[in-house]
Amino acid sequence: NAGVTQTPKFQVLKTGQSMTLQCAQDMNHEYMSWYRQDPGMGLRLIHYSVGAGITDQGEVPNGYNVSRSTTEDFPLRLLSAAPSQTSVYFCASSYGGAGETQYFGPGTRLLVL
Amino acid sequence: LAKTTQPISMDSYEGQEVNITCSHNNIATNDYITWYQQFPSQGPRFIIQGYKTKVTNEVASLFIPADRKSSTLSLPRVSLSDTAVYYCLVAQKPYNTDKLIFGTGTRLQVFP
Repeated sequence: NAGVTQTPKFQVLKTGQSMTLQCAQDMNHEYMSWYRQDPGMGLRLIHYSVGAGITDQGEVPNGYNVSRSTTEDFPLRLLSAAPSQTSVYFCASSYGGAGETQYFGPGTRLLVL
Repeated sequence: LAKTTQPISMDSYEGQEVNITCSHNNIATNDYITWYQQFPSQGPRFIIQGYKTKVTNEVASLFIPADRKSSTLSLPRVSLSDTAVYYCLVAQKPYNTDKLIFGTGTRLQVFP
């Protein structure tokens, strides 16, 4: 049982490039979320999903796309990277939604030049 | 979703008890209170959850008064390794399709 996995661990992008941050969980959790965390700041919700085929926006969705074709995977796409998207990205999942224990992945550190 | 307010930062010394209070004036009947801990460069991890009165586990205690408008996370005899950010969240159970907002948390610094 690997829990929540994220790839890559670290990525450098140039402004305007696109990329996909991968998130997978093997706990059969319906609820999955993406957060970003800037240095010294709290977590901000980007997008979340309550099940396969269902996604919704969080606090800071602009510049990011998500899809949920399977229960296990919840990729986050940066359409055209900007320096303001330099951050650490965390994926989380839970069984039963927002009120249940959230399990976080190890994070992806993204640097946009 | 009930909004929470907690101190931005707290300092303590090793061996002391630390109490972090969270205010959630608009808590709803089906809302539960959950605390998470985050170490640098790691994702948050669950510490404790409660609905009312007192909950205790091997890591912390959670005190919730009868009106449930606030809660206090108590860390007994902290050590340097308890230096972290602590988040207080309020969310409905059981199944809840709302977005989960973490906020800025309380940054606890433990000194030797």
